[in-house]
Amino acid sequence: QVQLVQSGAEVKKPGASVKVSCKASGYTFSNYDINWVRQAAGQGLEWMGWMNPKTGNTGYAQKFQGRVTMTRDTSIATAYMELSSLKSEDTAVYYCARRMVGATFFFDYWGQGTLFTVSS
Amino acid sequence: QSGLTQPPSVSAAPGQKVTISCSGNSSNIGKNYVSWYQQLPRSAPKLLIYDNNKRPSGIPDRFSGSKSGTSATLGITGLQTGDEADYYCGTWDSSLNGGVFGGGTKLTVL
Repeated sequence: QVQLVQSGAEVKKPGASVKVSCKASGYTFSNYDINWVRQAAGQGLEWMGWMNPKTGNTGYAQKFQGRVTMTRDTSIATAYMELSSLKSEDTAVYYCARRMVGATFFFDYWGQGTLFTVSS
Repeated sequence: QSGLTQPPSVSAAPGQKVTISCSGNSSNIGKNYVSWYQQLPRSAPKLLIYDNNKRPSGIPDRFSGSKSGTSATLGITGLQTGDEADYYCGTWDSSLNGGVFGGGTKLTVL
């Protein structure tokens, strides 16, 4: 069955960086873009960007450009999202979600979420 | 990143029908397909509707979606207590060249 399994919770200091992983299984990794969506406590969903596992191409929301980097390791079917220059406002649950390459904007499988807390 | 507009909350009695609206503009909903997600407490979002009105396998036909112009609507019939959740709409914004979501609507089944 399709699964996206994310790395565990982290606590980081302001100004630091964090890298979250998303391991895919149960499907052909290269056939689906991996998107990242975050959700602050009690808030709505916020789209951060996408990464094509086959080409490595990426697209980021304007808000995160310059601070986010999405990469992958195809040998282990794992996508990564690194966020730098962390601020307290980055404290949130971060989800990876897959979207079929070439499909419209929808995500049929989501990871379980990774909470990272930015605190001094 | 500009978002889509949803009512913060809706409520209805068990067995009744409810609709949740999602308003956008000509660059997002007006030009692209809409998807809907259900998020139960402490869980990841779950896809309910894609391409405006299509249901993934396993989603009951109590859930329906529609789109008209720059607005979309999620309908839920035969409400059950298990439907209590937050619901989000999402779409691509061609001007922003990025995805956008609504702020979410909390459904209470009284």
